[in-house]
Amino acid sequence: IVLTQSPGTLSLSPGERATLSCRASQSISSTYLAWYQQKPGQAPRLLMYGASTRATGIPDRFSGGGSGTDFTLTISRLEPEDFAVYFCQHYAGSPWTFGLGTKVEIK
Amino acid sequence: QVQLQESGPGLVKPSQSLSLTCTVSGVSISSGAYYWSWVRQHPGKGLEWIGYIYYSESTYFNPSLKSRATMSIDTSKNQFSLKLNSVTVADTAVYYCARVDWGNYGPLDYWGQGTLVTVSS
Repeated sequence: IVLTQSPGTLSLSPGERATLSCRASQSISSTYLAWYQQKPGQAPRLLMYGASTRATGIPDRFSGGGSGTDFTLTISRLEPEDFAVYFCQHYAGSPWTFGLGTKVEIK
Repeated sequence: QVQLQESGPGLVKPSQSLSLTCTVSGVSISSGAYYWSWVRQHPGKGLEWIGYIYYSESTYFNPSLKSRATMSIDTSKNQFSLKLNSVTVADTAVYYCARVDWGNYGPLDYWGQGTLVTVSS
């Protein structure tokens, strides 16, 4: 399964809404779709799993959804600490795969 | 709280083996609810899943590694390890260990800080 993330870079201002896309090369179960946030020099952090369930400690401005081949991660109001790279991941079958990431940068 | 910490040589020569260990604290590696995984990230690039191991020592690997990878687990030390044979410069990456939350079907919910391994003569 190839995961294609778009856009590659999203330039937004704090307070704005961010919508990130993850498209799978074939239909997948939403049960096995996760989103991660990675800041420079840090490990990825799990944000969402099962496409729409927030991981422990993740604020509710983060939401996820989608089904089949199209999934989205939405950040309702960008906070300064949200500017980072976001990866989607499919964790079923073989191999588990990651998208190439969307960088959310300050406009 | 749950913590993972990678350790191992930062420099490996081409054709040799890369060996890394992940020390886990805050949870027993023998807990049946979790698998234990390795993921790598080439400089400035995306993430690549390497494989995972269960406390029973069953393993599952990314086929792209062409059988070069093995994993082991030491429940007495709460550690698991990765060995990658016949490395080339293409194996230069930051290597992360992570916990697989099997109770939720497999997301990677805790990660180590990562360790950079450079393959160079």
